[in-house]
Amino acid sequence: KQEVTQIPAALSVPEGENLVLNCSFTDSAIYNLQWFRQDPGKGLTSLLLIQSSQREQTSGRLNASLDKSSGRSTLYIAASQPGDSATYLCAVPSTDSWGKLQFGAGTQVVVTP
Amino acid sequence: EPEVTQTPSHQVTQMGQEVILRCVPISNHLYFYWYRQILGQKVEFLVSFYNNEISEKSEIFDDQFSVERPDGSNFTLKIRSTKLEDSAMYFCASSEQPFVDLRDRGRGETQYFGPGTRLLVL
Repeated sequence: KQEVTQIPAALSVPEGENLVLNCSFTDSAIYNLQWFRQDPGKGLTSLLLIQSSQREQTSGRLNASLDKSSGRSTLYIAASQPGDSATYLCAVPSTDSWGKLQFGAGTQVVVTP
Repeated sequence: EPEVTQTPSHQVTQMGQEVILRCVPISNHLYFYWYRQILGQKVEFLVSFYNNEISEKSEIFDDQFSVERPDGSNFTLKIRSTKLEDSAMYFCASSEQPFVDLRDRGRGETQYFGPGTRLLVL
């Protein structure tokens, strides 16, 4: 059974520092991996989807890497800003079901001015 | 930019009452999903829906739950007799398609989530 883990659970950095968020999964036979942002009490905003055939995906200050063999993905946010404060979730489709996303518990990020 | 919308944003109900949560997926999307997040816990899959029928459902999605696409735009989740443990944030999501070709496991499609409905069962 696929397990998705995000460590650390919380992270605080000063503005301008780069953020490194980790996601690990136990079954490497994934179709893709999606990163989301969740603001308190709000919905999920899709940030990036990285497909199993890709090693990296970039969008603005965000860069996601994927290493299927080691069961890891990393989300890098360059030059963090206070507006980046949120919880970041990663999710992978279940290996036996295309549409069923399995989520990590998230990393809560605080960027201090 | 197109987005998934959900109504209501908050719903308070008494235990045993029926609730209907509504969603309008992105218009050209074909696949629809419901997830929920109990406070402090992970987001959990409930059900996926395609071509007017359930594609998959989780163990959580028991006989108290049902989904429907009553018209060309709305997608609803009904809980027939709410329990205290149904209190959660419920998210609707949609995607254009899961894969172009199910044999090609290198591709997938982004699921876009709505803002959620916070359900409180008293």
